[in-house]
Amino acid sequence: DAGVIQSPRHEVTEMGQEVTLRCKPISGHDYLFWYRQTMMRGLELLIYFNNNVPIDDSGMPEDRFSAKMPNASFSTLKIQPSEPRDSAVYFCASTPGGGYETQYFGPGTRLLVL
Amino acid sequence: GDSVTQMEGPVTLSEEAFLTINCTYTATGYPSLFWYVQYPGEGLQLLLKATKADDKGSNKGFEATYRKETTSFHLEKGSVQVSDSAVYFCALRGAQKLVFGQGTRLTINP
Repeated sequence: DAGVIQSPRHEVTEMGQEVTLRCKPISGHDYLFWYRQTMMRGLELLIYFNNNVPIDDSGMPEDRFSAKMPNASFSTLKIQPSEPRDSAVYFCASTPGGGYETQYFGPGTRLLVL
Repeated sequence: GDSVTQMEGPVTLSEEAFLTINCTYTATGYPSLFWYVQYPGEGLQLLLKATKADDKGSNKGFEATYRKETTSFHLEKGSVQVSDSAVYFCALRGAQKLVFGQGTRLTINP
C-alpha cells in the first residue's frame, strides 16, 4: 500500500490567496484526521471524519478553514483567505474502522504564507 | 479534559547513552497509551503502545510501561543510536480521538 498521500508537499503563497491541501487516505480506512503542526502550538487536531462525515471540527481555528471529504478516497482542507499565521505543516492521517489508535500519517504539506 | 505532558526538550545525548523521556497523563479511566516518532521531514509513525495497566510496549529497542499508579508512560532505550534522532510524541486515546503531548526533540551525537 502506498500509505497516506498528501499534496502538495510544499506550498508558498501570498496572504489573501486561497490554499487547498489534498489527502488520499489508505484504502479501506474509515477515519480521516487533519492536523496542524507549529513550533509554538505543537500538533493540533483540526477535524476528523468517519465514513466521509465530519465528526468533530472543534479544532478548526476559524471560518477561513473548511474541510470536505466527498468520497472515501479523497479529502481537502481549504484556507480562504490565507494569512501568515497559517504557516505550518499540515498532516493528514487515517485509521481503519473499529479502532483509531494506530493512526497512519501522511508526509505532510509545508505551507508558507507570505 | 484529557491531557498529556512530556518532558521538555530538546534532549541531546551521545551515542550508546541511556534514554528516558518522561510522559504523564490526565484522563478519565484507563486509556490506551502510545508513543509516536517523527523523523525529519516525515509524518508521525507509531513506535509502541500499551492498552492496559502494567502492559509494556516495545519496539526497535524502545520500551514503555503503563503505570496507572503514577499515571505515567515513560519511554526508555538502553543504548541510543544516531538514527534515533527524531521528535517523540506521547499520546493517549481520548473520547474518539488521540490526545498528543507537545513532543520532545531528541538529538544523538556520534
